[in-house]
Amino acid sequence: AQKVTQAQTEISVVEKEDVTLDCVYETRDTTYYLFWYKQPPSGELVFLIRRNSFDEQNEISGRYSWNFQKSTSSFNFTITASQVVDSAVYFCALSEREGFKTIFGAGTRLFVKA
Amino acid sequence: KAGVTQTPRYLIKTRGQQVTLSCSPISGHRSVSWYQQTPGQGLQFLFEYFSETQRNKGNFPGRFSGRQFSNSRSEMNVSTLELGDSALYLCASSFGENSEQYFGPGTRLTVT
Repeated sequence: AQKVTQAQTEISVVEKEDVTLDCVYETRDTTYYLFWYKQPPSGELVFLIRRNSFDEQNEISGRYSWNFQKSTSSFNFTITASQVVDSAVYFCALSEREGFKTIFGAGTRLFVKA
Repeated sequence: KAGVTQTPRYLIKTRGQQVTLSCSPISGHRSVSWYQQTPGQGLQFLFEYFSETQRNKGNFPGRFSGRQFSNSRSEMNVSTLELGDSALYLCASSFGENSEQYFGPGTRLTVT
């Protein structure tokens, strides 16, 4: 069975701080896909990144970076020099090769204070 | 390219009624998934459609149903509404299996 755990319910930081959002997943499949989505206060989920299980290379996109470690079944997301506009709920998600569904974690609400 | 559209955006119904929500995916996307989002349960998978076929269904009662048309547009229906069905219903489209999903703005359903 697939499962995604985001243990951090809420995180509050001051602008310019770095913050890491944790994501731990469970799957029996050897081929799977991991995602991060952002849901700003406006409500619409926005895709951030997709990773397949065979690609453990870390990725950096501007102030965003992702650390994928199969050994610990984790796919963590770091925002460097956070900004107020980063305030949102962030979801980690998992889909298995032929499951035809995506399971989302409970989400982490990030508050960035000016 | 137009994004995913959902209609209506807001809906108020009373217990026992039924409701139909509509979703138009991004042009070229053949997979449509539906999710229920509530403060207590988070994002819960309802079902996924591809080429008019339901390929997977989440753990929801039979009152929740859906369909997809040949133009990939999708509808979901909830019959005999209960207070607990109050939620934001999100539709997402993707190009294919395991691709990233693009979400619509959602339909906020309130059951009184």
